[in-house]
Amino acid sequence: GQNIDQPTEMTATEGAIVQINCTYQTSGFNGLFWYQQHAGEAPTFLSYNVLDGLEEKGRFSSFLSRSKGYSYLLLKELQMKDSASYLCAVRDKDYQLIWGAGTKLIIKP
Amino acid sequence: IAGITQAPTSQILAAGRRMTLRCTQDMRHNAMYWYRQDLGLGLRLIHYSNTAGTTGKGEVPDGYSVSRANTDDFPLTLASAVPSQTSVYFCASSDYSGQGASGYTFGSGTRLTVV
Repeated sequence: GQNIDQPTEMTATEGAIVQINCTYQTSGFNGLFWYQQHAGEAPTFLSYNVLDGLEEKGRFSSFLSRSKGYSYLLLKELQMKDSASYLCAVRDKDYQLIWGAGTKLIIKP
Repeated sequence: IAGITQAPTSQILAAGRRMTLRCTQDMRHNAMYWYRQDLGLGLRLIHYSNTAGTTGKGEVPDGYSVSRANTDDFPLTLASAVPSQTSVYFCASSDYSGQGASGYTFGSGTRLTVV
């Protein structure tokens, strides 16, 4: 079966750096997405990786290793507004998105 | 309208009743999707449509039906609601049947409670 694994919850301190990991086992691979979802709101697109390596977007970076079935989302200079759930999703061979259950990130002052 | 509009925002529904959740997009995206999101389970695909006139079943299609008469609208119908259908429902859309790098755009969701 297809599976996406991410930690259920993480806690970090304002101003610090946090890394959220995602491992996947899917039928084929056509890209990996990270989404942010604040409580009670819709998911919003953060990043997309299809080739190995690091993609940087301001305070957020996303890394992919296809051979290891592994990605991480790196958040720097954490702000209180970064408290949210972070969803990892992989697009499989049929171009369907397979979603992880999400990682709830709690930021403490 | 900018993006995807879902209606209603929330609803309490008696078990056994029929209900249609509405979804409209103005981005001319080819593909549209219906997901349900339950605590601890993440997003699960109910039905999808890669283009107007076609639909397909996702991971959890039982008890739900969809139609795609045109590009913009993708309603989800619960024929006879049951309490296990209590969930938050998200409609989403994407370009090129989801092959682009921009991912999905989501509506704001419908919170449905079946009692």
